[in-house]
Amino acid sequence: GAGVSQSPSNKVTEKGKDVELRCDPISGHTALYWYRQRLGQGLEFLIYFQGNSAPDKSGLPSDRFSAERTGESVSTLTIQRTQQEDSAVYLCASSSTGMGWLHQPQHFGDGTRLSIL
Amino acid sequence: SQQGEEDPQALSIQEGENATMNCSYKTSINNLQWYRQNSGRGLVHLILIRSNEREKHSGRLRVTLDTSKKSSSLLITASRAADTASYFCATDHYGGSQGNLIFGKGTKLSVKP
Repeated sequence: GAGVSQSPSNKVTEKGKDVELRCDPISGHTALYWYRQRLGQGLEFLIYFQGNSAPDKSGLPSDRFSAERTGESVSTLTIQRTQQEDSAVYLCASSSTGMGWLHQPQHFGDGTRLSIL
Repeated sequence: SQQGEEDPQALSIQEGENATMNCSYKTSINNLQWYRQNSGRGLVHLILIRSNEREKHSGRLRVTLDTSKKSSSLLITASRAADTASYFCATDHYGGSQGNLIFGKGTKLSVKP
């Protein structure tokens, strides 16, 4: 059973360019989360998908950030017109739901390290 | 907004010693989780303690939760060099979105052989 997979593992791009980050969750996990981690910091919640419900976008820092998810599978996080402050590691996690859904741990990918020049 | 705050920010110990990390949070919670992160990797879930539990064990890990003080501690006994990592506590928010786990800044643990 594969874990959460993220690609690319590293991305270097010029300021102003758009970037797209991909996350493949664990098969069967209905919940998917995106976080941002700046150097030496904790994780900052960005967005959460749960099944077919409307995503919780409350953590997205600006309208340059958007995310989509196809059914209960792959998700992409898009950052438009990147700024240097967007440099960080972007982590994706998934979890199962159902009975006791409030108490399910999250399973993380290794992240995409994004560097904006 | 920061919910969990770990203390200390950094901890350096010798192999075989115990390591204790603390976490404080601000609002009512459903559960509190501890995660570990090795350098350059994602987070790995260690242990989850529910708001109605006071103590939980998993191997060399012991977690306590004091909801009256809004605090938790993670104890790693008989530490090993392989325990070197950053440790984060994460809380949800009672009544809030399941997805909105709030992480602290972490404790960086260094275990010297």
